[in-house]
Amino acid sequence: DGGITQSPKYLFRKEGQNVTLSCEQNLNHDAMYWYRQDPGQGLRLIYYSQIVNDFQKGDIAEGYSVSREKKESFPLTVTSAQKNPTAFYLCASNPAGGGYTFGSGTRLTVV
Amino acid sequence: AQSVTQLGSHVSVSEGALVLLRCNYSSSVPPYLFWYVQYPNQGLQLLLKYTTGATLVKGINGFEAEFKKSETSFHLTKPSAHMSDAAEYFCAVSEGHTGFQKLVFGTGTRLLVSP
Repeated sequence: DGGITQSPKYLFRKEGQNVTLSCEQNLNHDAMYWYRQDPGQGLRLIYYSQIVNDFQKGDIAEGYSVSREKKESFPLTVTSAQKNPTAFYLCASNPAGGGYTFGSGTRLTVV
Repeated sequence: AQSVTQLGSHVSVSEGALVLLRCNYSSSVPPYLFWYVQYPNQGLQLLLKYTTGATLVKGINGFEAEFKKSETSFHLTKPSAHMSDAAEYFCAVSEGHTGFQKLVFGTGTRLLVSP
């Protein structure tokens, strides 16, 4: 079945450490997105990519970085510059004009 | 910029009762509107969407929503709540209609269903 795979499901980060969240899709969608979800704040856009080798900052990009070297993959790195990284991270993709398909998320916790 | 307001962070209903989750939007262009559902520790699943055409949209699990341009609303309803409907629901508006489509989400409404 086609879909989006996020890994790992749970991730623990030490202070000052960079971590990378994986997002892979086999839906042949051009556009991919990373959202951060905090209780009571809904979903906030971190980065998005419309095509391979191109991406743009969303509303809360500081402390995050991405790459889009392949159509299927859109990994998110949470850097040490992100001072409050504990959150639920969701990856999504969509076809032209269509609704999003979401992955099952990665819960990141700072220890 | 487009925005979405969901009235009520929590809504409680009894099993079998009507479910009504409110969503109002602001948009300078004809909007595309979406409702998503999220179960604990999972991603979001599309319930229904309005793009063009019929303003009453039917979705999965017995949910429907009506686009009312004059009220800038897209409220979600279900005639009879089921225990399995307990989840968080998000309304979203699209800032693009073709190709790239950035969604702006509301802050969510948690639906509680009691026996």
